[in-house]
Amino acid sequence: AQTVTQSQPEMSVQEAETVTLSCTYDTSESDYYLFWYKQPPSRQMILVIRQEAYKQQNATENRFSVNFQKAAKSFSLKISDSQLGDAAMYFCASSRGRGSNYKLTFGKGTLLTVNP
Amino acid sequence: SQTIHQWPATLVQPVGSPLSLECTVEGTSNPNLYWYRQAAGRGLQLLFYSVGIGQISSEVPQNLSASRPQDRQFILSSKKLLLSDSGFYLCAWSGDTWNTEAFFGQGTRLTVV
Repeated sequence: AQTVTQSQPEMSVQEAETVTLSCTYDTSESDYYLFWYKQPPSRQMILVIRQEAYKQQNATENRFSVNFQKAAKSFSLKISDSQLGDAAMYFCASSRGRGSNYKLTFGKGTLLTVNP
Repeated sequence: SQTIHQWPATLVQPVGSPLSLECTVEGTSNPNLYWYRQAAGRGLQLLFYSVGIGQISSEVPQNLSASRPQDRQFILSSKKLLLSDSGFYLCAWSGDTWNTEAFFGQGTRLTVV
């Protein structure tokens, strides 16, 4: 079974500093995508960043970047210059398969607190 | 553009009563559809997913069932609710290939009393 593990239930960071959220996954697929989602207090799930597994270059989106280590099956999220609005639950997810075998699996989440 | 609607936003139901949560997607055809449950400290648990009309895969044996009577309609049901069914339920859709993310509805907070 495909699994996604987030080992940090909670993290905190000072405003303007940098924080890294960890994620590891297990898959036997050769083609897959990895995602980080953000769930603010409104509970609306928002896509933060995505990474194609066959691309070695790490994805970046403004202050958000990933450290993708394919051999280690690790996919961490770095948030630079943290802002109060970054406070949220963050979920790591992976996709696998095509068509009827497609599935998206999420980790249990990391609750990020940003301190002013 | 694609949109996903999920209702109701909040629901309080007595133990033993039936449940029906509905989700519809607009602006796309043949989406993959998902029901997730989010319980405190347990992240997102995939309950059901569907790759087509009438095709339902169950991930976790439980008191719930799902149906997809139309291409863009996904329904989560129960004949008799249990206290343990309380939680936050999220409907989502995605394309059917590995290079697509999921798009989520606003969620339903279900409290069984």
